[in-house]
Amino acid sequence: SYELTQPPSVSVSPGQTARITCSGDVLTTKYVYWYQQKSGQAPVLVIHQDTERPSGIPEKFSGSKTGTMATLTIRGAQVEDEADYYCFSKDRTGNQRVFGGGTKVTVL
Amino acid sequence: EAQLLESGGGLVQPGGSLRLSCVASGFTFPFSSFAMMWVRQAPGKGPEWVAGISGGGSNSLYTDSVKGRFTVSRDNSKNTLYLQMTSLRVEDTGIYYCAKDPVWLVRDFGNWGQGTLFTVFS
Repeated sequence: SYELTQPPSVSVSPGQTARITCSGDVLTTKYVYWYQQKSGQAPVLVIHQDTERPSGIPEKFSGSKTGTMATLTIRGAQVEDEADYYCFSKDRTGNQRVFGGGTKVTVL
Repeated sequence: EAQLLESGGGLVQPGGSLRLSCVASGFTFPFSSFAMMWVRQAPGKGPEWVAGISGGGSNSLYTDSVKGRFTVSRDNSKNTLYLQMTSLRVEDTGIYYCAKDPVWLVRDFGNWGQGTLFTVFS
């Protein structure tokens, strides 16, 4: 089955930039979506179609993609940005959806 | 404000059946305009996409592990999404969320529901 690969964890100091990667061999032809999930809450979409921010999402969140790797960047990360972040996309056939394994972002 | 409210969780024995419901309210466009999906999350694990359905209900998709056991459907007259689950396994345990399928949207993604939890126990 198709997989999206993320690093298990990323740690940054307050005010620094956190970068989370997501790799998948068909990402060259599929959009990537990014979800933020804080402890005990439902996931929230923070990036759609590789680079776009949904309404209400702060400008500190940005997305990019090069080839088979997508990156979620959090500029000026703060304690409130601590969460698990998941990438999401279609599989090779486009008939299923898949989440990455998730990256825990710690700001300390 | 758009909301999704899941229900139907509980305790089930392996091999049992259960039907989950998700009622949508406050959508700016008709519920039938939106493809929907079910996503589950096992305790301590990341989310897993389970199933999706087109706005009209004619097309449905499933992850491999639930094909033949789960059926996603919708009643647009009731703004409700369903997930009928049969032959349940312990590994089906988790919180089940409904949400708009984002791949068909460029705006109005909305929020997920808070989920409904069910446990398959032997």
